[in-house]
Parts: sequence; C-alpha cells; structure tokens
Amino acid sequence: EIVLTQSPGTLSLSPGERATLSCRASQSISGNLAWYQQKPGQVPRLLIYDASNRATGIPDRFSGGGSGTDFTLTITRLEPEDFAVYYCQHYDEPPRTFGQGTKVEIK
Amino acid sequence: EMQLVESGGDLVQPGGSLRLSCVASEFTFDNYAMNWVRQAPGKGLEWVSVISGNGVVTYYADSVRGRFTISRDNFRNTLYLQMSSLRAEDTARYYCARATRGGSGDTDLWGQGTVVTVSS
Repeated sequence: EIVLTQSPGTLSLSPGERATLSCRASQSISGNLAWYQQKPGQVPRLLIYDASNRATGIPDRFSGGGSGTDFTLTITRLEPEDFAVYYCQHYDEPPRTFGQGTKVEIK
Repeated sequence: EMQLVESGGDLVQPGGSLRLSCVASEFTFDNYAMNWVRQAPGKGLEWVSVISGNGVVTYYADSVRGRFTISRDNFRNTLYLQMSSLRAEDTARYYCARATRGGSGDTDLWGQGTVVTVSS
C-alpha cells in the first residue's frame, strides 16, 4: 500500500498570504495525484487532478506541482473561504489512499 | 443537476451487515467508475472501494477486503456497498463519489453521505 504523508499538519496563516502544502508518497506515483478541499460539514471538493491540472471552476490561485514522490499544493493569496482541510489522494495503483490532511487555519 | 444520493446508513451491532445505496441522476451512469470513501467522526478521508463503469473491475482498501463488496446496477443508476462482519472501526460517514473522467482516479462529484454506526 502506498502511504501519503502530508505536511505540515496545521498551517497558520493570514488572509493574503501564500500557502504551500506538501504531500509525499512512499513510492513513485508518477503524476497520479489529486488534491481536495474540505470545509466543516461539507463534502470534499476536487481542486487539482493529475498533480497539476485545476478542476473545473477552481480559481487560478490554486496550483499543483510535482511528480514521482513529492507534490505540492500552492495557494498564492489566501482568501477567507480557503481556510479548510486539504487532502491529497493518489490513484496510481489500488488501494487509492488519502493523506492524513493539512488544516489551513487563520492565524 | 448531476447528483448522488446515498442511503442505507444505520446503527448496527458488531458482526452485523448493512447495504448502502447511492442513486445517480442527470449523467450517464455507466460511463463512470464509482467509488466509496468514508470518514470517521473527526477524522480524515479513507478510500474504501472502486468499481469500473461496466462493473467488471473492483478494488478494495486492505481494511475492508473480504468483508465489503461493491457492485452497481447500471439500469437503476445505483451503486451499492454490501458490508458484513462490521466492526466498531467501520463507524463513519460513507460517501459515494464519481470519477471525474470515465475511469479516472480523481473524483469530482460526491454525495452528501450516509452514516454507519457500529455499536452494541
């Protein structure tokens, strides 16, 4: 089973700041990675697929990068609605595991 | 509007069984692989299972393999998850989620979930 490790666990930032989230895979997953955002009481929302492609309707302040084992999600300027928990998920081979999540909170 | 609606969640005793359903609407159901993902209270997301659009190919998380069975009825636009030998650690909200593009691994459409509680 491929393990995804997200860091940091919590990111405390102010609106307008840049957020950089990391997701590391225990073995190469090529570019088979997605990022999701989840707010309290809401279902997860797809942000990025295939490591770097923005999903439909996702603002361009969200960007994804990386390949192999190291991936990043960058939010260039945090808006108030961006404070949430972010998960990465791989789909290179089953089982399609999620990372444990990074909480982006208001500083 | 495209939609997924789960049902079947309940309180069940350890060792018991339950079948979850997910009804899809406003898209061509059999064109898409479908997933089950769960989330225990206050915890992160855990991928459970996936089934191909034609129902032939299935995969499972190690934690549920041999106890859970995913299936689909493309005539009824319905996805199922048959759960047996339930354990306390299966307590979670169970979401069905549609692959973004046919058989892709990412998922862009999620239901609101149905809650399964395993407790005596």
